[in-house]
Amino acid sequence: GESVGLHLPTLSVQEGDNSIINCAYSNSASDYFIWYKQESGKGPQFIIDIRSNMDKRQGQRVTVLLNKTVKHLSLQIAATQPGDSAVYFCAENGEDDKIIFGKGTRLHILP
Amino acid sequence: DVKVTQSSRYLVKRTGEKVFLECVQDMDHENMFWYRQDPGLGLRLIYFSYDVKMKEKGDIPEGYSVSREKKERFSLILESASTNQTSMYLCATSRGEPQDEQYFGPGTRLTVT
Repeated sequence: GESVGLHLPTLSVQEGDNSIINCAYSNSASDYFIWYKQESGKGPQFIIDIRSNMDKRQGQRVTVLLNKTVKHLSLQIAATQPGDSAVYFCAENGEDDKIIFGKGTRLHILP
Repeated sequence: DVKVTQSSRYLVKRTGEKVFLECVQDMDHENMFWYRQDPGLGLRLIYFSYDVKMKEKGDIPEGYSVSREKKERFSLILESASTNQTSMYLCATSRGEPQDEQYFGPGTRLTVT
């Protein structure tokens, strides 16, 4: 069946360093992927998306990389700040274009 | 900015009670969704709606129903609450296409005792 998962449930990064959050997906037919950020006490918030005809997309301090060969998605955050502390979810479009969310990775920022 | 509001941030109900969770959006979005979020399980889709009076089952609809009488309001109903429905419930909306960005409400943490 379809599944979207994350390699690590928790990631700790030194403030100022770059963060890389990884995600594996299983549906090779998925053509749209999204990253969401959920801060404590809030609902998830869209960060960046990428379509399968691209392998890289950049936003403000964030980059998403897509490797369709190994069905792998990653989110890179440059110069991690305390405000980046959150749970990050990857998501893909599944059957009937429903969005399927992964289980999330909690990013801890070390001072 | 899109605003998605949920009727309660915290709710405590007893087993067997009927529970209504309300979600209201102010951006005239076509699509609305209800998810539950549990530790280690991520977000799971309960029900969604692409239009008024339209509803579709998500991945875990058992024990839930929904109502969409008006475009801006999507209600999740627990006919007879059970302890395994203790969870964080998140409402989301998106524009017209299923793949459009989803905007989430702040969530309702429901505890069933």
